Amino acid sequence: DAGVIQSPRHEVTEMGQEVTLRCKPISGHNSLFWYRQTMMRGLELLIYFNNNVPIDDSGMPEDRFSAKMPNASFSTLKIQPSEPRDSAVYFCASMTGAEGQPQHFGDGTRLSIL
Amino acid sequence: AQTVTQSQPEMSVQEAETVTLSCTYDTSENNYYLFWYKQPPSRQMILVIRQEAYKQQNATENRFSVNFQKAAKSFSLKISDSQLGDTAMYFCAFMKPPNFGNEKLTFGTGTRLTIIP
Repeated sequence: DAGVIQSPRHEVTEMGQEVTLRCKPISGHNSLFWYRQTMMRGLELLIYFNNNVPIDDSGMPEDRFSAKMPNASFSTLKIQPSEPRDSAVYFCASMTGAEGQPQHFGDGTRLSIL
Repeated sequence: AQTVTQSQPEMSVQEAETVTLSCTYDTSENNYYLFWYKQPPSRQMILVIRQEAYKQQNATENRFSVNFQKAAKSFSLKISDSQLGDTAMYFCAFMKPPNFGNEKLTFGTGTRLTIIP
């Protein structure tokens, strides 16, 4: 089975540009999570969805960040406008609805804002 | 709120030796789940092992095993016969009981493990 697929793997862009990160969860998984990883703050949960509905977005840093899940097989995380402090590795993870099952992570997107 | 503490920022061990990574957590829940994830330099997050709090038996996966002490709220990871490929950042993570909205993980800050040839 294919794992969680994220694209792009690397993104370098200039400050002020719009950035869109994409994620395809594992088929049959009904929860999807977006994380940000930095040296200073470690792994932070930004938002998560259950059955395509946002459940908890308390980790989204500010209004410049938005996430959507239009269907069970696709999600996006958008930053507009981007700032240098948004530079980080962004992970998407998915999991089944079964009790206590682990989250499965994608390979992450390394985002660099110049 | 739950917290997960990994008190060893870095560790190193000779190849073939055994190493134990510590993790403690704070919760008022009786049922929950604990995980260890490995993040090698390739940056993938790989599940190493999973423990259910209501099971007293410690989980094992090949060379990886845990010492789960529920009363002490401790969940250490033991790696036996360590290999160069075990070099990675290791994260301990906690998941609350499986009610709606509780699927999110709380991660520790990680332990960077280096296996020395």
